Amino acid sequence: SQQGEEDPQALSIQEGENATMNCSYKTSINNLQWYRQNSGRGLVHLILIRSNEREKHSGRLRVTLDTSKKSSSLLITASRAADTASYFCATDAGGFKTIFGAGTRLFVKA
Amino acid sequence: DAMVIQNPRYQVTQFGKPVTLSCSQTLNHNVMYWYQQKSSQAPKLLFHYYDKDFNNEADTPDNFQSRRPNTSFCFLDIRSPGLGDAAMYLCATSRVAVSGGNEQFFGPGTRLTVL
Repeated sequence: SQQGEEDPQALSIQEGENATMNCSYKTSINNLQWYRQNSGRGLVHLILIRSNEREKHSGRLRVTLDTSKKSSSLLITASRAADTASYFCATDAGGFKTIFGAGTRLFVKA
Repeated sequence: DAMVIQNPRYQVTQFGKPVTLSCSQTLNHNVMYWYQQKSSQAPKLLFHYYDKDFNNEADTPDNFQSRRPNTSFCFLDIRSPGLGDAAMYLCATSRVAVSGGNEQFFGPGTRLTVL
């Protein structure tokens, strides 16, 4: 079964608003990653947070990790139309294997 | 620029006709991956190579094979494509990070259509 489950499945907001996406997972992890995928393209790595970290920032992105609840959130502040994409969380599953969640489809209206 | 390249971007094949998808990288990464992604779903790992060591996922159908003749190139062979194999196929690479956390670099994907 999938390691990561994401919520919501789809999110539609106005430009300038913040977007929050959540990810829950089932087993212990060493790290969790977030990726972005524009329609019909490959994935792009956004940020990695390790299991001993609680929060990490990168530009307009803020990621939190709560290992006690086995959950993570990705916050995009001051969203732009160009942020329209699918966002996936990904957890390590041993060795080089990474398991991706089903993703959140974000639509930012201009 | 260092990158992951997939060819072709779009591939149309007939039911049962073998097809090969290719991936090349200029990142000199040890690990190369093949994922299958169907519409609105998560990428699903088919297999990966760590250098020449091949690692097949347990639920990857026998219909899917892979070759890695050198560090730069990796191929996905679908021996007898079925209608259910129509999907986007993503190649990715990563390096072996001492500190762990295998950030993956993805190619643009090959969209396979099976007629």
